[in-house]
Amino acid sequence: DAEITQSPRHKITETGRQVTLACHQTWNHNNMFWYRQDLGHGLRLIHYSYGVQDTNKGEVSDGYSVSRSNTEDLPLTLESAASSQTSVYFCASSDGGGQPQHFGDGTRLSIL
Amino acid sequence: QKEVEQNSGPLSVPEGAIASLNCTYSDRVSQSFFWYRQYSGKSPELIMSIYSNGDKEDGRFTAQLNKASQYVSLLIRDSQPSDSATYLCAVNWAAQKLVFGQGTRLTINP
Repeated sequence: DAEITQSPRHKITETGRQVTLACHQTWNHNNMFWYRQDLGHGLRLIHYSYGVQDTNKGEVSDGYSVSRSNTEDLPLTLESAASSQTSVYFCASSDGGGQPQHFGDGTRLSIL
Repeated sequence: QKEVEQNSGPLSVPEGAIASLNCTYSDRVSQSFFWYRQYSGKSPELIMSIYSNGDKEDGRFTAQLNKASQYVSLLIRDSQPSDSATYLCAVNWAAQKLVFGQGTRLTINP
């Protein structure tokens, strides 16, 4: 079965460090998305990609970057981790054209 | 600014009753609407998609869409304790992105 895998599932790091969260999907979807979810804010879009070499900023992109070198992967990098980036991060993918998004299991990131 | 509004709850419903969850959206050109269920500590799981006005039924779930009123709802019949979760309404815009509501927390009381 097709799936979307995030790693690590949990991570603790220190402020100022660079952190990369992995997202790998086997749906062969062109569209991939990164969200963060915090109490009181729901799901907020960080970055998204509509295909290889395409990346776009979402509503809360400051301090984050992504790159898309193949269809399957969209890693999310925190350039210099800040305590405000402590959150649960979800990766999602879709087939485009108004189709639903399918989510990975999430990464719980704590920045101390 | 595209907005999707949900009552955050908590919504408490007795077991066996009908749970009714509501969502309004601000973008008149939206064409695709989704309901996700999210258990505590888990990821959102798609349970219903609806694309045209009217009702769509899938088992105990019915999604209702009224584009003129910019309103989408989810009915859960014969509610079970396992239905206790947060339900997220999502509306597509810009063809391929979704805007999510903040979710309604539903509790089914045995």
